Amino acid sequence: DVKVTQSSRYLVKRTGEKVFLECVQDMDHENMFWYRQDPGLGLRLIYFSYDVKMKEKGDIPEGYSVSREKKERFSLILESASTNQTSMYLCASSLTLAGGGLNTEAFFGQGTRLTVV
Amino acid sequence: AQSVTQLGSHVSVSEGALVLLRCNYSSSVPPYLFWYVQYPNQGLQLLLKYTTGATLVKGINGFEAEFKKSETSFHLTKPSAHMSDAAEYFCASAGGYNKLIFGAGTRLAVHP
Repeated sequence: DVKVTQSSRYLVKRTGEKVFLECVQDMDHENMFWYRQDPGLGLRLIYFSYDVKMKEKGDIPEGYSVSREKKERFSLILESASTNQTSMYLCASSLTLAGGGLNTEAFFGQGTRLTVV
Repeated sequence: AQSVTQLGSHVSVSEGALVLLRCNYSSSVPPYLFWYVQYPNQGLQLLLKYTTGATLVKGINGFEAEFKKSETSFHLTKPSAHMSDAAEYFCASAGGYNKLIFGAGTRLAVHP
């Protein structure tokens, strides 16, 4: 089974702290994603990466950065946490098909519920 | 730009009743469409996906969805709801690099 593992299920951090959310996948997937989930808004893409050391902004990148030094690991960084970053964060990974097909399934981690106080 | 709209943030059905969760998409190219389910305190799990070919797609747990290009819809159905179907359901469309564009979600409640 594909496994996407997020390092923490629950985190409580203080305003202004630097926060690291870690995600590891074990299926050699090229693509990795960070989403934020808020009630009534669905999942919104923060950043994604299609290869090691490559990163692309999603729809809501402000206040976040990412790092992908190894293929299996994709980290989300909150440079200076704020209360409006309290949310559920979901990491996902997917395979790139030959020819660039878009029909591969994305596999999700269990999520990290972050509270910034 | 691609977008996905789910009609109804909350749907409530009786056990044994038909489940219908609505999804409409906008896309300038043939879409790849997905339905995911999220159980409480869990990540998302794929229910089914539409790529090309047959417009009626069968998924896990007795769910199916029909792609209707003329209506730009991809509604999710299940003939008979079970208590274990209570969850949040997300419709999504695939964009470049397989990034998914999600709808806002529909929370399904099933009551006895």
